[in-house]
Amino acid sequence: DTEVTQTPKHLVMGMTNKKSLKCEQHMGHRAMYWYKQKAKKPPELMFVYSYEKLSINESVPSRFSPECPNSSLLNLHLHALQPEDSALYLCASSQEHRLSYEQYFGPGTRLTVT
Amino acid sequence: QKEVEQNSGPLSVPEGAIASLNCTYSDRVSQSFFWYRQYSGKSPELIMSIYSNGDKEDGRFTAQLNKASQYVSLLIRDSQPSDSATYLCAVRYGGSQGNLIFGKGTKLSVKP
Repeated sequence: DTEVTQTPKHLVMGMTNKKSLKCEQHMGHRAMYWYKQKAKKPPELMFVYSYEKLSINESVPSRFSPECPNSSLLNLHLHALQPEDSALYLCASSQEHRLSYEQYFGPGTRLTVT
Repeated sequence: QKEVEQNSGPLSVPEGAIASLNCTYSDRVSQSFFWYRQYSGKSPELIMSIYSNGDKEDGRFTAQLNKASQYVSLLIRDSQPSDSATYLCAVRYGGSQGNLIFGKGTKLSVKP
């Protein structure tokens, strides 16, 4: 089973709202990722968690705040977003954050900031 | 700057033909190579991974890797309209925590 789940599927929020995206995997993977994907562009890495610790932050603005409550869950807290943050937000996981391990993506959350 | 280059397409092939998708990468330290398929509005789906020179076959898909030429390709045999999607090449660069670098993707259209 290579399933990563994400909720919600769609989210519309105003620039003053606070919302959270959730991601879950039950494959025993120890690395989890957040990516952002704009239309007709490849995914861009935002954050990497390895063994529940933040190991990579790709210079993401502080209005995006990741959290890894346990090895199966990953959250992305959103606050004071801008319209240009509208995108598909993808969660992925891999067995470990090492070279040969495959990353599996969830279905994504389509975010619209109004 | 580590780069992964793909022809953006669209690549159009008739149903039943072989579709050939190509990818080049800039860093010789690269170790792991992946192909993802992404349907419009959906998330990327891993279809092939390859780590050593040569061919790797899985059903109608064959990945080919040539590290000396810094080239990886994906062949889709007996192409079907359902194969119409954007194919993303992803390269994992060297180092213990190498991140995936994605190409911009090639859009494939299989005509009935």
